[in-house]
Amino acid sequence: GAGVSQSPSNKVTEKGKDVELRCDPISGHTALYWYRQRLGQGLEFLIYFQGNSAPDKSGLPSDRFSAERTGESVSTLTIQRTQQEDSAVYLCASSTPRSEAFFGQGTRLTVV
Amino acid sequence: AQSVAQPEDQVNVAEGNPLTVKCTYSVSGNPYLFWYVQYPNRGLQFLLKYITGDNLVKGSYGFEAEFNKSQTSFHLKKPSALVSDSALYFCAVRDVGFGNEKLTFGTGTRLTIIP
Repeated sequence: GAGVSQSPSNKVTEKGKDVELRCDPISGHTALYWYRQRLGQGLEFLIYFQGNSAPDKSGLPSDRFSAERTGESVSTLTIQRTQQEDSAVYLCASSTPRSEAFFGQGTRLTVV
Repeated sequence: AQSVAQPEDQVNVAEGNPLTVKCTYSVSGNPYLFWYVQYPNRGLQFLLKYITGDNLVKGSYGFEAEFNKSQTSFHLKKPSALVSDSALYFCAVRDVGFGNEKLTFGTGTRLTIIP
């Protein structure tokens, strides 16, 4: 596609439920990032995939968070047993090596 | 490890005046530097980048940034601010040739242009 696509755009879930967020990167982009942005705040790094290298998971806030990427294609971010503090916009970005990253529109997650 | 600092959470500028949004960085290898803008309820948009070459780089919407290696800075500038420039601005760095070269963002600066 022409840009980074994220789905769903909005997700409301009950506390304790699991959620799965999806990111379709730009074709040919070997690098993929997930960030979290709380309302009016900065970007919190979550995880970085680069080609076939082991992902950098140093930003995942707890073991409730996990992410996978199939080759250089789709990525899913899974949050288990959601908590209210998980409410945020989750942003995905992709890039070619060493270039600027292009962002999707994000998934707004609300945990009630 | 690489890091980026945006020392000002908020910058206010009168319309028509020049604006500067500050950014400093720390890397072990070579810095690739980027600026992004986020308008309300919108995703992040790429503005400009420094990879190599001229220290002054020009980008979208009339913005430019100056790479200063000795001061490890990459400040964003515009000669004449518009009200429509009001947004959240993020500086980012890649530490090239060292480590995994992930893109690291600063905490953001909220720019408000006062009519």
